[in-house]
Parts: sequence; C-alpha cells; structure tokens
Amino acid sequence: DQQVKQNSPSLSVQEGRISILNCDYTNSMFDYFLWYKKYPAEGPTFLISISSIKDKNEDGRFTVFLNKSAKHLSLHIVPSQPGDSAVYFCAASANTGNQFYFGTGTSLTVIP
Amino acid sequence: KAGVTQTPRYLIKTRGQQVTLSCSPISGHRSVSWYQQTPGQGLQFLFEYFSETQRNKGNFPGRFSGRQFSNSRSEMNVSTLELGDSALYLCASSLSVAGGAKEQYFGPGTRLTVT
Repeated sequence: DQQVKQNSPSLSVQEGRISILNCDYTNSMFDYFLWYKKYPAEGPTFLISISSIKDKNEDGRFTVFLNKSAKHLSLHIVPSQPGDSAVYFCAASANTGNQFYFGTGTSLTVIP
Repeated sequence: KAGVTQTPRYLIKTRGQQVTLSCSPISGHRSVSWYQQTPGQGLQFLFEYFSETQRNKGNFPGRFSGRQFSNSRSEMNVSTLELGDSALYLCASSLSVAGGAKEQYFGPGTRLTVT
C-alpha cells in the first residue's frame, strides 16, 4: 500500500523555466515532509522540508507547498538548471520517530 | 563534518548466505534508519535505531535485523539471502531531537547482488 505517491515518473523542462514536481499522500497523520534529490550511484541528498504547521517553505530556488486538505505537496524549482537533472523523491512521516514513507520518484530532465 | 559512510559499497553473495552491512552516522546523530531501494519500488523503510534501541520497524521479514552500538554506528544483517534481496541498501542518520527537525542524511548505499 503506497501511502506516498508520485504519479509522474518523468518530467522534462527547458533551462530557466519552472519545474513543478508533485506528490500526494493518503495518511492524514503525516505531519512532516521532505524532498530529496538523487543522482545515480549516490544516496539521496536532502533538499527541503516542511511541517504541517506551514503551507510553504522556501530555500533559494526551491519552494515546497503543502495543501493539507488535498493531501498534496509540490516542489517548485525556479529557475531550473541542467544540474537539477536527477530523480526527486518526496517523503512523509507521522510524529512517531523517523519512519519515513517515500514516493517512487520523478526523474527530472532540464534541457539546456 | 564527515557525512554518513557505508561499508562495503558493493557485495555479491549467493542465495542462502547471510550478509552484514555497516553504517557510520554523522557525528552527533543518534538516529540511524535503514532503507531498501529496488527498481520501481522507491525506498522502503526497514527499521530505525535510536540510542541502541529499535524505535520503528517496517514491514520486512525477520530475516532482516539490525543493531546499533553505543557510538551510534549501526549494522544491518540479512540471513538466508534470497534473489529478491538484491537491492541498494541505504542508511540515513538524523539528529532526532524532540520537537526539532527530522531531516535524514543518507549515505551512498551498499549495492547487494544475490546470485
């Protein structure tokens, strides 16, 4: 049972434009969310987080939006750069330690 | 600060054997979590250790076990290996301070191949 879903396996965006990666979850107990970037043969790299008390968190070119009523979060990358090409995972956790549920990832390609 | 380290990076084992993987967390991090990544499955949570105690456990059979030492280093053991255990095993560490941020920082992973 996949509690965190990333329904778009891949996304292509022109350099300089906005990349929007989406994530849906089913468990209303989730209250902390993370986004990771992963290159081949490397472990995931932490990008940005958001807790359920907020609906937006921004860090440089990366912004995460949380819509609790829709159980939906999104990651916006503006402007997109070729170095952003990677697989992006979203993850969610309830307030029960560090058990995170991950989506299956979205492969982002930024075209120069 | 040094990142999360995992050894070995690559392993080839035969079905029926057992294997032990090691993880050294970021200095000061007390929580260590283990994940299995297989193609198309994303990352599946195995278990989390905090202060030498298993705090959370995912939905994996008892062949998968782990432990944490007093210096927060952790080991994961898989007994009676099956072909389906071939995967990338990732370790992540976290400060895990009550009420604080819960970001996990991952190591490079151990690629296990079972033949």
